[in-house]
Amino acid sequence: EPEVTQTPSHQVTQMGQEVILRCVPISNHLYFYWYRQILGQKVEFLVSFYNNEISEKSEIFDDQFSVERPDGSNFTLKIRSTKLEDSAMYFCASSYRDRHSYEQYFGPGTRLTVT
Amino acid sequence: QKEVEQNSGPLSVPEGAIASLNCTYSDRGSQSFFWYRQYSGKSPELIMSIYSNGDKEDGRFTAQLNKASQYVSLLIRDSQPSDSATYLCAYNFGNEKLTFGTGTRLTIIP
Repeated sequence: EPEVTQTPSHQVTQMGQEVILRCVPISNHLYFYWYRQILGQKVEFLVSFYNNEISEKSEIFDDQFSVERPDGSNFTLKIRSTKLEDSAMYFCASSYRDRHSYEQYFGPGTRLTVT
Repeated sequence: QKEVEQNSGPLSVPEGAIASLNCTYSDRGSQSFFWYRQYSGKSPELIMSIYSNGDKEDGRFTAQLNKASQYVSLLIRDSQPSDSATYLCAYNFGNEKLTFGTGTRLTIIP
């Protein structure tokens, strides 16, 4: 069964450093998302991406964040200058979204630790 | 503010019994509802989606939606120890983002 994959599984970085989190969505899916989950808190939406552009972003997704689909398979989230409060699990999700289904499938996540 | 409310639990259910998980939401325009299962340290795993009022069954799982009451529930029949996890209720409407509840922690007691 097709799956969303993410790399790395765990990233440790120092405050102020740039990180890039990578995702390979399910191959025939057209809509891509990033969510994050701070330890013990609920899953929060960051950004959605369709047709090579951002379709929606949350208040969390400020100028320090960017997304890109550099080729036909990868979808990346970049954090330019990490802060301690960026420490969280970051989940990529994808969906096909036809009129019968709006289901989003999540990858295994990247645990980001900012020290 | 659009919210999803869930009882955080923990909810303890004997093995073989029915586990009942509930969720209320504030956005009357919400159209699509989802139940995800999340094991500790893992990602959300989609187990049920429901789009119209009534019941939807898939194996041991039944989702129930009542849009008038802004209520969605998940029943797990013949509960197994492997069902022990946090269950996340989520919805979206028109736009693409999912709005999640805080989740209900379910423990199945052997």
